[in-house]
Amino acid sequence: ILNVEQSPQSLHVQEGDSTNFTCSFPSSNFYALHWYRWETAKSPEALFVMTLNGDEKKKGRISATLNTKEGYSYLYIKGSQPEDSATYLCAFRPTSGTYKYIFGTGTRLKVLA
Amino acid sequence: DGGITQSPKYLFRKEGQNVTLSCEQNLNHDAMYWYRQDPGQGLRLIYYSQIVNDFQKGDIAEGYSVSREKKESFPLTVTSAQKNPTAFYLCASISTGEGNTIYFGEGSWLTVV
Repeated sequence: ILNVEQSPQSLHVQEGDSTNFTCSFPSSNFYALHWYRWETAKSPEALFVMTLNGDEKKKGRISATLNTKEGYSYLYIKGSQPEDSATYLCAFRPTSGTYKYIFGTGTRLKVLA
Repeated sequence: DGGITQSPKYLFRKEGQNVTLSCEQNLNHDAMYWYRQDPGQGLRLIYYSQIVNDFQKGDIAEGYSVSREKKESFPLTVTSAQKNPTAFYLCASISTGEGNTIYFGEGSWLTVV
């Protein structure tokens, strides 16, 4: 079973703080790494799809980096707002020739006003 | 609007009964997935299908069965062989091709009493 881990499991930050999470995945057989935001009572929504080592993606105050050689990706949120409160998931796809996606356990973020 | 529809949203069943969860998508996606989430845990892959009439076991397939007779439909049956069926079940799909993101349903809560 391929292991994808996220840390921390949960965190609380004050409004305006910047924060970051980690997604660790197998460094061999890498094909793609996705990030999703999952708000309570809604479906997860896509943030980023990353495929190349060194990739950096940005969407508003949220950005992500990718290191496929060492098997990790960071998600950064600058100036956290209460509406950023959600669970952030990463999903790893190996180069096994299949469309198999393995999700991490998620990081639950709570931004306090 | 295109999307993924899961039904029912909430389901109660007696122990020993088989239960089928519906997942329908009108996105013309090739690949479809079923994930399970337990309290405090991440999404775990039950089954996935890349094309019609073909599917593969995920990491926790025991006690579950699926079919993929039509591109838009991927129903999941939770059989009486599944020891701990009470959980949240999430269906997803993706269009095969680089850079595409996963789309998700809103989930189904199954409680077995």
